[in-house]
Amino acid sequence: DIQMTQSPSSLSASVGDRVTITCRASQSISSYLNWYQQKPGKAPKILIYAASSLQSGVPSRFSGSGSGTDYTLTIVSLQHEDFATYYCQQSYTVPHTFGQGTKVEI
Amino acid sequence: QLQLQESGPGLLKPSETLSLNCTVSGVSISSTDDYWGWIRQPPGQGLEWIGIIYYGGSTYYNPSLKSRVTISVVTSEKQFSLRLRSVTAADTAVYYCARVIQHQLLYGASWFDPWGQGTLVTVSS
Repeated sequence: DIQMTQSPSSLSASVGDRVTITCRASQSISSYLNWYQQKPGKAPKILIYAASSLQSGVPSRFSGSGSGTDYTLTIVSLQHEDFATYYCQQSYTVPHTFGQGTKVEI
Repeated sequence: QLQLQESGPGLLKPSETLSLNCTVSGVSISSTDDYWGWIRQPPGQGLEWIGIIYYGGSTYYNPSLKSRVTISVVTSEKQFSLRLRSVTAADTAVYYCARVIQHQLLYGASWFDPWGQGTLVTVSS
């Protein structure tokens, strides 16, 4: 299985901050990388697919980048509704493993 | 509007079989080229990919669960199911069903959207 490692596991930030979350794969996944946002008691929601494509309806303050084994989710100007847990997921090979999550707290 | 809803028993005893259905509204499972999948999340923990199914029958399972899991399409074409045999406390989790969207240009790239609301299954004696 491809191991997905996110860093940090949690972070504290303020409204208006720029936040960066990193996801590293145990082997190259050729941009087959997705980012999800999950709020407490809710199902995850897709934000970014194929490393850098913004899902329709997702605010443009979210962006993704990366290649090979290293990928980044960036939130510019953090908003109240962005406090949540974020997961990366690779779809390069089965099983399509997730990272352990990054909790963004106030 | 496509919606998914999980249903099934919320409490099982060890060694029993977990059986969940996912009801799809807004589209027929057989009328799309999409895969449909299951994901689970133990309380307070991260997400685990269980497996996916194509209406035509192709399935892909997580090797860690492959010996115990079966995903199938229910004849109604409005449901697909998850069966997990010989459950233990480690199988206690919120189980989600979701549609698998495939990238039109990047062959093989896929993601889950939308998700059902999830259903908690507890395994306890």
